[in-house]
Amino acid sequence: NAGVTQTPKFQVLKTGQSMTLQCAQDMNHEYMSWYRQDPGMGLRLIHYSVGAGITDQGEVPNGYNVSRSTTEDFPLRLLSAAPSQTSVYFCASSNTGGRAFFGQGTRLTVV
Amino acid sequence: AQRVTQPEKLLSVFKGAPVELKCNYSYSGSPELFWYVQYSRQRLQLLLRHISRESIKGFTADLNKGETSFHLKKPFAQEEDSAMYYCAPNKLIFGAGTRLAVHP
Repeated sequence: NAGVTQTPKFQVLKTGQSMTLQCAQDMNHEYMSWYRQDPGMGLRLIHYSVGAGITDQGEVPNGYNVSRSTTEDFPLRLLSAAPSQTSVYFCASSNTGGRAFFGQGTRLTVV
Repeated sequence: AQRVTQPEKLLSVFKGAPVELKCNYSYSGSPELFWYVQYSRQRLQLLLRHISRESIKGFTADLNKGETSFHLKKPFAQEEDSAMYYCAPNKLIFGAGTRLAVHP
């Protein structure tokens, strides 16, 4: 049982480049979400989805796009990377009323 | 608005000392209330949740509706408890986290 899988684990981007962080879950969970983790800031919600075809903004959505074409996948797109987006990104999934399962994280550096 | 406050960024104790990691929340509706833990170089994982009323690794958490708190407690800290701890009033919202450092 793979749970929540994030790729890549590490990434270095130049300012202005675009990329997609992948997230997949095999637990048939309805909810999926993306967070960034910064020192002293905890986990801040970027975007989330309550089911296929439905997405919504979290606390810090600017500079990021998401889509949920299938239940399993919830990719996060950086359209034009900025140094302020240097962070560790976590994807999570859960069912209604259930706990969240997290991916192993993606450490992104924008230079 | 749904908010969760973990007032301590760092809690430093010696092995065997009692530990209390504070969590206060404001939430419209019935909060679900979870504590998650992140050990070094590992992904976040569930420690315990209110609905289960369980004790995991010696940790417990009691809901105080009057104070809107869900503090995490352990009577005797161990070095392996050193980690980041996050309080969550639901499956989406997390606090800023408290780093627990247990010294020998």
